[in-house]
Amino acid sequence: SAVISQKPSRDICQRGTSLTIQCQVDSQVTMMFWYRQQPGQSLTLIATANQGSEATYESGFVIDKFPISRPNLTFSTLTVSNMSPEDSSIYLCSVGGAVGGEQFFGPGTRLTVL
Amino acid sequence: GDSVTQMEGPVTLSEEACLTINCTYTATGYPSLFWYVQYPGEGLQLLLKATKADDKGSNKGFEATYRKETTSFHLEKGSVQVSDSAVYFCALSTSYGKLTFGQGTILTVHP
Repeated sequence: SAVISQKPSRDICQRGTSLTIQCQVDSQVTMMFWYRQQPGQSLTLIATANQGSEATYESGFVIDKFPISRPNLTFSTLTVSNMSPEDSSIYLCSVGGAVGGEQFFGPGTRLTVL
Repeated sequence: GDSVTQMEGPVTLSEEACLTINCTYTATGYPSLFWYVQYPGEGLQLLLKATKADDKGSNKGFEATYRKETTSFHLEKGSVQVSDSAVYFCALSTSYGKLTFGQGTILTVHP
């Protein structure tokens, strides 16, 4: 399976600011995804990061709040914009495209908004 | 839409006890099914998977069988260890490649 890294691993931010999270994969992958895991909760898909085109967002998530870039097949970024304490979560990127449909996850970015 | 329902937790067991974590799903089409595990302080790892009806996924002593007739994918282990303490997530994937997760079950195993 691919090796996935995320930066930063954690951050504490002030409300109203923005944070960009990077996801790097050690091999080219067709599908990359961004998830949110709120404290004590399950994972919720934010969007599918499409290489060379706009991301596909799930219901309840919008581009203005969570802009995503995917300039190539090994890298993606997620920005959490105009943050509020409700954005405090773990943000995870994952890669997919395997025949069986499984995804492999990065270590996550733990974000705390004060 | 697709959904996954997991047994409510937390689950607390003594070492060497038997484990069952129930998982049922609702999906259009024929999903693939997964169990992921999140150990304390670590990321999400794929534990096992099954891609079609009657398939049995297994890994590290854990097993789960894809039951289409009952739309279930229960996780079982015959003898748990302290090191199995973690959060377990049931999930499904459709042809669109997206994963839908259950709410997670916290397992604590005492010596």
